[in-house]
Formats: sequence, C-alpha cells, structure tokens
Amino acid sequence: ETGVTQTPRHLVMGMTNKKSLKCEQHLGHNAMYWYKQSAKKPLELMFVYNFKEQTENNSVPSRFSPECPNSSHLFLHLHTLQPEDSALYLCASIQYSGGGPRETQYFGPGTRLLVL
Amino acid sequence: QKEVEQDPGPLSVPEGAIVSLNCTYSNSAFQYFMWYRQYSRKGPELLMYTYSSGNKEDGRFTAQVDKSSKYISLFIRDSQPSDSATYLCAMIKGNTPLVFGKGTRLSVIA
Repeated sequence: ETGVTQTPRHLVMGMTNKKSLKCEQHLGHNAMYWYKQSAKKPLELMFVYNFKEQTENNSVPSRFSPECPNSSHLFLHLHTLQPEDSALYLCASIQYSGGGPRETQYFGPGTRLLVL
Repeated sequence: QKEVEQDPGPLSVPEGAIVSLNCTYSNSAFQYFMWYRQYSRKGPELLMYTYSSGNKEDGRFTAQVDKSSKYISLFIRDSQPSDSATYLCAMIKGNTPLVFGKGTRLSVIA
C-alpha cells in the first residue's frame, strides 16, 4: 500500500454514461496528479493540483473534468467518453516544499477504464 | 531532443543475471531522480529515490546518478523472474511535475 487509494479499480462505461473516478491520499501531501496510461504507451500527465488549485491542464479534452475539494481528495469526472479513452487512469501525490519535493511521488493502483 | 531518454527494450535476461537499466537527460536543472517498477495492469511503485551523484543501494537494487554526464542507472543483482516488469526512470526540478522516461520492459527468464 502506497497511501494513495483509487476507486473504482475497474470501470466499464458506455459512451453516453457519466461516471467519476476517486482518489484519496493519506500521506499529507500537498499536490495531486491525474495521469493516463494507454496500452504500450508512456504515462501522460493530465492534470496537476497544488494546494487544491489546478496548475496544469495538458490539453485534455473537456469530457474529462477534474475536481479537488481538498488536499486529500481528487476526482475525475467522465462524460461522453470515446473508446480511445480506454486506459489505466493513475492518481499520484507528492509533497512539495520551497525548493523542491520534500517527499517523492507515490501512485495509486489505478482505475482500469473500458469505454464501449 | 526529449528531456528524458530511456530505451524501451524489451530486455530479456536469464535468471541470476545482473541487469543494467539506464536513462539520459538533457536538463541540468533536474535535482531528484527516481526509479519506479510497474507490473502489468498495476500502478507504478517507487523503487529508489536519490538526490546526489553517486550510488544508493537497497537490497539487490543499486541506483547510480552521474550528474556531470546527465546519466542515471538502475542495477539489479541476482535478477529473479519476479523482477519482470516495466522500469520507469523519473526526475524532477523544483516544484514541477516529474518527467518520466518511456519505461524499459524487462523479462527475467527462469
């Protein structure tokens, strides 16, 4: 266990569905990320939250909508997804201090998403 | 030139071999260096985390950083079939997101 949990672990949804992925970190970190990992492709950074503020959105389509209500929780709301959005969605957290990371980044186990 | 270069492999070795995994980087501002191991269909797990140039050892794993050459390595001694996974190097500068290599797929054959 890394201290970062994700639910659900597996999700199958149709293209017209709306669903949400949840991430919770129990490490007291101040930054959280969403990544997408497609089969046989590198990690793609999607969204970055520092102290609950979104600081990066790497040209992610609007059908993905993040929400960070507090520094321990991160959501990814999904609607009208496409089959090419099927992937492993990973959450991660890290603790930053003034000049760099006080503690390194830990990942959750991921949600494996299949869009039909 | 990508910020971090990592040979994707695949790399196949016999059980008991010493494995050497490497990454090069172009930005001298990178300060912290990590290696993650990712099994199929799982999230990456942290293996090693280093700051300074030199070696850091943890069991069968040794991480090596050479900042002058902008080169980092992960050595696995006495490799086991359970070490078969994708190994990702990552590095960070300041308070910016980690930059990852593409990962090297390793197979250790019994």
